[in-house]
Amino acid sequence: QKEVEQDPGPLSVPEGAIVSLNCTYSNSAFQYFMWYRQYSRKGPELLMYTYSSGNKEDGRFTAQVDKSSKYISLFIRDSQPSDSATYLCASRKMDSSYKLIFGSGTRLLVRP
Amino acid sequence: GAVVSQHPSWVICKSGTSVKIECRSLDFQATTMFWYRQFPKQSLMLMATSNEGSKATYEQGVEKDKFLINHASLTLSTLTVTSAHPEDSSFYICSAPVGPYEQYFGPGTRLTVT
Repeated sequence: QKEVEQDPGPLSVPEGAIVSLNCTYSNSAFQYFMWYRQYSRKGPELLMYTYSSGNKEDGRFTAQVDKSSKYISLFIRDSQPSDSATYLCASRKMDSSYKLIFGSGTRLLVRP
Repeated sequence: GAVVSQHPSWVICKSGTSVKIECRSLDFQATTMFWYRQFPKQSLMLMATSNEGSKATYEQGVEKDKFLINHASLTLSTLTVTSAHPEDSSFYICSAPVGPYEQYFGPGTRLTVT
């Protein structure tokens, strides 16, 4: 079993829709959670990060972590065609290694 | 956010030759950098942790003698793919952490071995 599981999609939505992207993780030691966006043949871009449980909002993006169910979510409001990309969730332990464990990524397509 | 650059962005080499890829932190110092490879439509696979002033730490299954990593300074790490073969063709990406939450990635290097 992978430590971070993510539905690969693709997920296709119309412009303006609310998008929900989800991951589950198995390692209780994970304390830090991040979401990255990756366009084709580009490096991942950090979108959001959270520590432990709770919500964090930044513009159209909301990241949510539920440690009791080991569930990580990213919500995108008013989705735009420019949001079409692969979204990767990542987690890491509270240790000095800084190693990130990535999900497989979800491909999102926002149709005009 | 912090900026990480990679050079070259795309390289084509012949089978049996070696290729060096550079990763630089432009506006911060990085004692640790990570090297990943990514195949089409797949997630990132961590290859190794590059440590300034000490040997790199390789993930299980990654050949140390094939993927040579040198963290020459606090802003530069290099990955050399030695005796490259077509199966080494991939997208190589480096990253560097800035604090506990933020880890910034370079734009990636596409390696094609013919």
